[in-house]
Amino acid sequence: DQQVKQNSPSLSVQEGRISILNCDYTNSMFDYFLWYKKYPAEGPTFLISISSIKDKNEDGRFTVFLNKSAKHLSLHIVPSQPGDSAVYFCATISNSGNEKLTFGTGTRLTIIP
Amino acid sequence: EAQVTQNPRYLITVTGKKLTVTCSQNMNHEYMSWYRQDPGLGLRQIYYSMNVEVTDKGDVPEGYKVSRKEKRNFPLILESPSPNQTSLYFCASRGGVLNTEAFFGQGTRLTVV
Repeated sequence: DQQVKQNSPSLSVQEGRISILNCDYTNSMFDYFLWYKKYPAEGPTFLISISSIKDKNEDGRFTVFLNKSAKHLSLHIVPSQPGDSAVYFCATISNSGNEKLTFGTGTRLTIIP
Repeated sequence: EAQVTQNPRYLITVTGKKLTVTCSQNMNHEYMSWYRQDPGLGLRQIYYSMNVEVTDKGDVPEGYKVSRKEKRNFPLILESPSPNQTSLYFCASRGGVLNTEAFFGQGTRLTVV
């Protein structure tokens, strides 16, 4: 039972344009939502997060949007740069006791120069 | 430098030969966990530990054991590895409640033949 879903396995975007990565979740009890970035041969690295009480969080070129009614999370990268090419995982944390970090299946973003 | 260190990075072994993958963090984090990454399945949690001597099963614990005798170390033990445990493994640590950023090791690519 996949509680966090990323329905697009891959995405290609022209350099300088906006990249939009999407994520859907099923559990309304999640407290935090996060995005991680992963390069080949490296572990995932934290990118940005948002609390369930907010609907937007911005950090430089990265903005995360949370739509609780639709149970939908998105990451906007603008402008996209070649170094943004990586696999992006959305993740959730539920503070219901075990603080479990649950990941989606990932989206491979390729920025075309 | 804050880091999570896993060893070995690469391992090829035979079915049934016990092995241990070590994980150590230098950030005094309470929360540590193990994940495996498989194509199309994202990162799935194997085991987690909320503090010394406190461990619990994640989503895919079968065939694995862990221990948390010290705060900094969280080894993953495969008592009798099987080919379906061929995967990319990541150890992660996190500060705990309300600390959403997890730090990951560089990964261990395990092949069981």
